[in-house]
Amino acid sequence: EIVLTQSPGTLSLSPGERATLSCRASQSVSNSFLAWYQQKPGQAPRLLIYSASSRATGIPDRFSGSGSGTDFTLTISRLEPEDFAVYYCHQYGDSPPYTFGQGTKLEIK
Amino acid sequence: EVQLVESGGGLIKAGGSLRLSCAASGFTFSTYTMNWVRQAPGKGLEWVSFISSSTGYIYYADSVQGRFTISRDNDKHSLYLQMDSLRVEDTAVYYCVRVARNFYGFDIWGQGTVVTVSS
Repeated sequence: EIVLTQSPGTLSLSPGERATLSCRASQSVSNSFLAWYQQKPGQAPRLLIYSASSRATGIPDRFSGSGSGTDFTLTISRLEPEDFAVYYCHQYGDSPPYTFGQGTKLEIK
Repeated sequence: EVQLVESGGGLIKAGGSLRLSCAASGFTFSTYTMNWVRQAPGKGLEWVSFISSSTGYIYYADSVQGRFTISRDNDKHSLYLQMDSLRVEDTAVYYCVRVARNFYGFDIWGQGTVVTVSS
């Protein structure tokens, strides 16, 4: 099973700043089947990025993903008030078991 | 509108059984792979089970293997999760989730149904 480790656990930033979230896998993620999700309190997760770097439908271009192999990054170029939430990385390569990172909480400084 | 609506959650004693349902609408359900994902109170996301479009492939997390059974009825546009021998640690919000075409992530999530297992 691939273990995903996200860092930092909590990130405190102000609107307008740039956010960089990291996800490290215990082994290579095949075909870069790595996704990022945003979750707000009381809501289901929302797909932001798939295949490590492709934005999902309707996702603003301030969200970008990068990386391959075992190291992946989600960048939010300029934080908007609605971006403060919990972010999860997720590997869905080849076949299950699929795994999620433990999450990064992005909070307002 | 593309939508997934879960039902069947509730309060149950340890050792009991529950059957969750997920009604799909707004897309051709029979052609999509589906999953169940859960989230314990205040915790992160945990993948639970996978079923391919034709039910040819089924997988489970080790934590539920042998106790949970995933199934689908493509004629009824529905996904199911039969949960037996429930444990306190199965307490969570259970989400029905669609896999996007070409495995482009988990693109559609239901609102979730709450399962609470008491001791």
